[in-house]
Amino acid sequence: QLQLQESGPRLVKPSETLSLTCTVTGDSISGSSYYWGWMRQSPEKGLEWIGSIDYSGSGKVYYNPSFKSRATISADTSRSQFSLKLISMTAADTAVHYCVAVRRGSTPYHWGQGTLVTVSS
Amino acid sequence: QSALTQPRSVSGSPGQSVTISCTGTSSDIGRYNYVSWYQQHPGKAPKVIIYDVNERPSGVPDRFSASKSGNTASLTISGLQTEDEADYYCSSYVDSPIFVVFGGGTKLTVL
Repeated sequence: QLQLQESGPRLVKPSETLSLTCTVTGDSISGSSYYWGWMRQSPEKGLEWIGSIDYSGSGKVYYNPSFKSRATISADTSRSQFSLKLISMTAADTAVHYCVAVRRGSTPYHWGQGTLVTVSS
Repeated sequence: QSALTQPRSVSGSPGQSVTISCTGTSSDIGRYNYVSWYQQHPGKAPKVIIYDVNERPSGVPDRFSASKSGNTASLTISGLQTEDEADYYCSSYVDSPIFVVFGGGTKLTVL
C-alpha cells in the first residue's frame, strides 16, 4: 500500500529556507503513474497546491505561480524520496505541509500525515 | 477566497442524508470530469472519498455518492453516521498553470 511520510523542521525563522522531504513506500517514484507533489493548508488560505514533479514521464516540474519563484521540487529515486525547498519564508507560510501522490486530473490521491511548519523568530 | 464555493456548514441527524454543493465555473468544474471530494477529520490529513466526479476509492462506503451538473458538483452522504462528522473539501482540475483548485471546505455536523 502506498504511503508517504514527510520529514523536516517544524520551526523556521523568517527569511530562511524550508526543506522538507517525503519518503515513499509501496510504490516506485520513477515507475509510478502518479505525479509527486506538495500541498499546504492554513486557516487563512485553505488548501493550496504548491507543485508536482512528473518523474516517470517528462521529468517536468510544475509549480503554482504563487510559489514558482520560491519553490523547488526534486526527487531522489535511489532513496525513494522527493523534496521541497521554499526560500524566503515568512509568517504567511505557516501551514501544515503535505506530500501527496497525484493521479490524473491533478487529484491528490494519497496524502502524507502532514507536518506543521511554523515561521517565527 | 477559494476558487470553488462551498457552504460553510451543513448538518443532519443520524440516518438522514445531506448534500454538499461545490460551485465553480466553466473553466473548471464545468469543463472537466476531474472533480474530487475529500474528508478531513480534526488533526488528520484529507482523505479522498470521491474522484473523477463520482468514483469511490476502494474502502469508501457507498453511502458517499457524488455528481456534477454544469458548473456545480454535489456530494451526498446518505445514512449519516456520527463518524461522518468532519470537514469536506472539493477540488477540480483546471488548465495550466494552476492545475487544481479547491473549495473552502464544509463542516458537517451530525446532530
